[in-house]
Amino acid sequence: QVQLVQSGSELKKPGASVKVSCKASGYTFTSYAMNWVRQAPGQGLEWMGWINTNTGNPTYAQGFTGRFVFSLDTSVSTAYLQISSLKAEDTAVYYCARDGRPGQQLVPNWFDPWGQGTLVTVSS
Amino acid sequence: SYVLTQPPSVSVAPGKTARITCGGNNIGSKSVHWYQQKPGQAPVLVIYYDSDRPSGIPERFSGSNSGNTATLTISRVEAGDEADYYCQVWDSSSDHLFGGGTKLTVL
Repeated sequence: QVQLVQSGSELKKPGASVKVSCKASGYTFTSYAMNWVRQAPGQGLEWMGWINTNTGNPTYAQGFTGRFVFSLDTSVSTAYLQISSLKAEDTAVYYCARDGRPGQQLVPNWFDPWGQGTLVTVSS
Repeated sequence: SYVLTQPPSVSVAPGKTARITCGGNNIGSKSVHWYQQKPGQAPVLVIYYDSDRPSGIPERFSGSNSGNTATLTISRVEAGDEADYYCQVWDSSSDHLFGGGTKLTVL
């Protein structure tokens, strides 16, 4: 079955970096775009952007430029989210979520499935 | 930028019908998708393209979209439906956008 499995929780100090992984299985990885979504504690969902899994080209939403980097390793069907210069306000659960249809967002669509989420806690 | 407005909470008795709205300017011209998120879990798609149900989602879940309001309807509500529900659209000025979420409480 189609599945996204993310790496485990992280506890980081301010100023450090973190890299979250999202391993896909059950489908052709390079046929579907991958999205990243943030959920701060007790808050709603916030779309961070997406990466074209065929070309590796990332697109970042407003507010997620500069310190956030999306990348891929297609040989192991894995997408990555790296956050540098971590701040306390980066504390959140980060989800990867596959596009609902193939086509690399030629037509924007829904997200399905989602990874289980990775909690990143930034605290001194 | 485009804004989606959901009521913070909706309460319903077991067996009754819950209606969760998602308001936006001329949202009827957009495709609306809905997600269910239970505490400590990842979101799950329950409705896409306004009214289509993914496989495995009960027929009790349905959606509609017209004018300035999209609606997720849950018939014969069960205790297991208690969760947060989010609507999502794509807009040229905002890219992918989620509503603020609605907490469904089953009384």
